[in-house]
Amino acid sequence: QKEVEQNSGPLSVPEGAIASLNCTYSDRGSQSFFWYRQYSGKSPELIMFIYSNGDKEDGRFTAQLNKASQYVSLLIRDSQPSDSATYLCAAYSSNTGKLIFGQGTTLQVKP
Amino acid sequence: ETGVTQSPTHLIKTRGQQVTLRCSSQSGHNTVSWYQQALGQGPQFIFQYYREEENGRGNFPPRFSGLQFPNYSSELNVNALELDDSALYLCASSQVGGRGYGYTFGSGTRLTVV
Repeated sequence: QKEVEQNSGPLSVPEGAIASLNCTYSDRGSQSFFWYRQYSGKSPELIMFIYSNGDKEDGRFTAQLNKASQYVSLLIRDSQPSDSATYLCAAYSSNTGKLIFGQGTTLQVKP
Repeated sequence: ETGVTQSPTHLIKTRGQQVTLRCSSQSGHNTVSWYQQALGQGPQFIFQYYREEENGRGNFPPRFSGLQFPNYSSELNVNALELDDSALYLCASSQVGGRGYGYTFGSGTRLTVV
């Protein structure tokens, strides 16, 4: 079992729709969770982080965390073609000091 | 405040050769983590260095080794290169402890092994 799992996609949504990206993790010692956006050939760019159960909103982005279910999600409202990228979910454990990534989900927003 | 710089940006090596990749650390950070990202995959954790010592390692063979220097910059060395080592190598600096949101990534080194 991978430590952080994501559906590789591609997830295709029309412009203006809500994109929903999901992630599960196996290490219950993970304390913080991150969503990175990565354009092809570029390095990951941090979009959101969350460490408390519930929702956290930042502009068009909402991160959701459910520690009991070991589940993290990212909602992108009013999706734009410029949101087309690979979205990486990552989990951090201060016990290990490691940031572990999932395999990423490719999002395609079609005009 | 400077970011994280990786060098070189691209390089091509022959199978069996050795390669050294370099990474600066962002000012104020004392930890460097290295990742390997194959095409279409997420970044895979190679190892992390803190206070010039390896502080955690992923599932990579010993031919992947590293160093951290007193100024917190770091090197990744790969011996006996294999075709499967072709990937984007990312380094990230951070401050030990905290909740992990301080990771700053470099732009990466694209390694091609032929």
